[in-house]
Amino acid sequence: EVQLVESGGDLVRPGRSLRLSCTGSGFTFGDYAMSWARQAPGKGLEWVGFIRKETYGGTAEYAASVEGRFFISRDDSESIAYLQMNGLKIEDTGVYYCRRGDAGDFWGQGTLVTVAS
Amino acid sequence: DIVMTQTPLSSPVTLGQPASISCRSSQSLVHSDGNTYLSWLQQRPGQPPRLLIYKISNHFPGVPDRFSGSGRGTDFTLTISRVEAEDVGVYYCMQATHVPYTFGQGTKLEIK
Repeated sequence: EVQLVESGGDLVRPGRSLRLSCTGSGFTFGDYAMSWARQAPGKGLEWVGFIRKETYGGTAEYAASVEGRFFISRDDSESIAYLQMNGLKIEDTGVYYCRRGDAGDFWGQGTLVTVAS
Repeated sequence: DIVMTQTPLSSPVTLGQPASISCRSSQSLVHSDGNTYLSWLQQRPGQPPRLLIYKISNHFPGVPDRFSGSGRGTDFTLTISRVEAEDVGVYYCMQATHVPYTFGQGTKLEIK
């Protein structure tokens, strides 16, 4: 059974950094791109970005709203994908979902990030 | 960026009756590889989203047959043949043809 478990969500001050983790199981992690999406409270879904699998270069793509502040990485030996979030803004508040694949066939339960002073 | 426009934004339906949601993209979603990466997702209240349909009309495993997808180019439709109580939630289309990928605004399906 495919499972994705996010962790690392927290309450942080504007301008600070936070790193989210996504641990995958039930599939060969290195065979898939991994992606992130988010959802502000009471709002719709927003695509954050994805990282390609290593055989495709392991490069990442990002939404304009997070480009230069957020960075996605992966550790295939541990089956973990990371979302490093720097320079957090109040509008980054929301539930962050990890997804398998660039288009996202399986989703995790999400982890809540709250940016507030 | 590709803009995904869903209509309606809210859809009250009667149990057992059909429902359909439209999704229109601002540009063609046909990829250079010939595929069209248009997906439909369901988000039940208090739950994470789950994939229903991928590449316009392909069922994700475990998705009931009453859900179907159709369309081409820039116009796509999700149809529920007979709405059941468990179908209540918000439905999103998403394009994964052009980076940045984008979601529709969501359509809230509720029972009359």
